[in-house]
Amino acid sequence: NAGVMQNPRHLVRRRGQEARLRCSPVKGHSHVYWYRQLPEEGLKFMVYLQKENIIDESGMPKERFSAEFPKEGPSILRIQQVVRGDSAAYFCASSLGRGHYGYTFGSGTRLTVV
Amino acid sequence: AQTVTQSQPEMSVQEAETVTLSCTYDTSESDYYLFWYKQPPSRQMILVIRQEAYKQQNATENRFSVNFQKAAKSFSLKISDSQLGDAAMYFCAYRTLTQGGSEKLVFGKGTKLTVNP
Repeated sequence: NAGVMQNPRHLVRRRGQEARLRCSPVKGHSHVYWYRQLPEEGLKFMVYLQKENIIDESGMPKERFSAEFPKEGPSILRIQQVVRGDSAAYFCASSLGRGHYGYTFGSGTRLTVV
Repeated sequence: AQTVTQSQPEMSVQEAETVTLSCTYDTSESDYYLFWYKQPPSRQMILVIRQEAYKQQNATENRFSVNFQKAAKSFSLKISDSQLGDAAMYFCAYRTLTQGGSEKLVFGKGTKLTVNP
């Protein structure tokens, strides 16, 4: 059983470019969560998605950030016009459903904005 | 809003000794889950142990055990017979479910554990 696959593992973008982070959940998991980890910090919730639905995006900046989890394919976290402050590790986790406590995390994507 | 506090930014332990990592949280909910995650340099978040708040018995997983004090809102992690491979960042986390249908983990800032040979 493959775990949560995130790619790329490392991503370097220049200021103003777009960053697209991908997350393939555990097979059979229909719920995906994105978290951001700044240096020396814990993970901070960004967004919670089910297939084709955004359930909670309260942790996501209102501008430049968007997320989707289409019926087919991976979940995508998209950051437009990146700035240096977006540099962080972005983690995806998946679960069978709300209330299930079995979260599987990916290894994260480290985004560096230069 | 729920908060999770880890008051020890760094801890160290001698190999084969026991170490306890502290975690406190704030919530008005009566039923919830608490977790300890390990993050080695590889960055992978690995579940160490989980505790359901309605269970009075402390969770145990091999060399890892918790001391769950619900009234005090305390959830410490004890690592016995420490091994070099235990060196990592350890994060305490609280799982919240909202009436709006959301669900999220709230993490502490972490404790960096060093294991000395």
